Amino acid sequence: DAGVTQSPTHLIKTRGQHVTLRCSPISGHKSVSWYQQVLGQGPQFIFQYYEKEERGRGNFPDRFSARQFPNYSSELNVNALLLGDSALYLCASSLGGLADTDTQYFGPGTRLTVL
Amino acid sequence: AQSVTQLDSQVPVFEEAPVELRCNYSSSVSVYLFWYVQYPNQGLQLLLKYLSGSTLVESINGFEAEFNKSQTSFHLRKPSVHISDTAEYFCAVSRVGNYGQNFVFGPGTRLSVLP
Repeated sequence: DAGVTQSPTHLIKTRGQHVTLRCSPISGHKSVSWYQQVLGQGPQFIFQYYEKEERGRGNFPDRFSARQFPNYSSELNVNALLLGDSALYLCASSLGGLADTDTQYFGPGTRLTVL
Repeated sequence: AQSVTQLDSQVPVFEEAPVELRCNYSSSVSVYLFWYVQYPNQGLQLLLKYLSGSTLVESINGFEAEFNKSQTSFHLRKPSVHISDTAEYFCAVSRVGNYGQNFVFGPGTRLSVLP
């Protein structure tokens, strides 16, 4: 079975630009979460979506937004890019639902470089 | 809020030697505990998790971790490491009853296995 897939794998943008990152969850998973991993640090939670609705949001500015589509894939959008947005962006999928013991499965990530 | 501390940023160890990667957490509520491994240029892979029951949990590749509630620790151990265990290891917590699945990760420990 295919795991979590993300596209693109690498991306280079300049300050002020906008970027869209994409994620496809494992088949049957209805929840998608986004994390930002700055070099040398652990991942930081950005958003979680379940059944197309935002279920959780981390401490990130409004420049960050996301959405989930009817097929459960997801997009993360970042506007007005800053140098500090350079990071590995990870997508994780899980079954979702009411089980708080759900396990998250991570994709390979998208490496964003802002110049 | 929850926080995770990984006391060692880097751990070098010779092949076939034992290793312990330390993880301590802080939380005012009950948590679930996880260890994830990240190989170079890859996403995170779940290594093992503690949800309830026996405080000692094991992975299929020889790692084990023990939940110690009184010391708020979840240290990861392996009696004999291999070159292929070289990777970044992240400890994470998730609040019990948090259906938003907001994982909080530690900063990571880089394990380097030397021949």
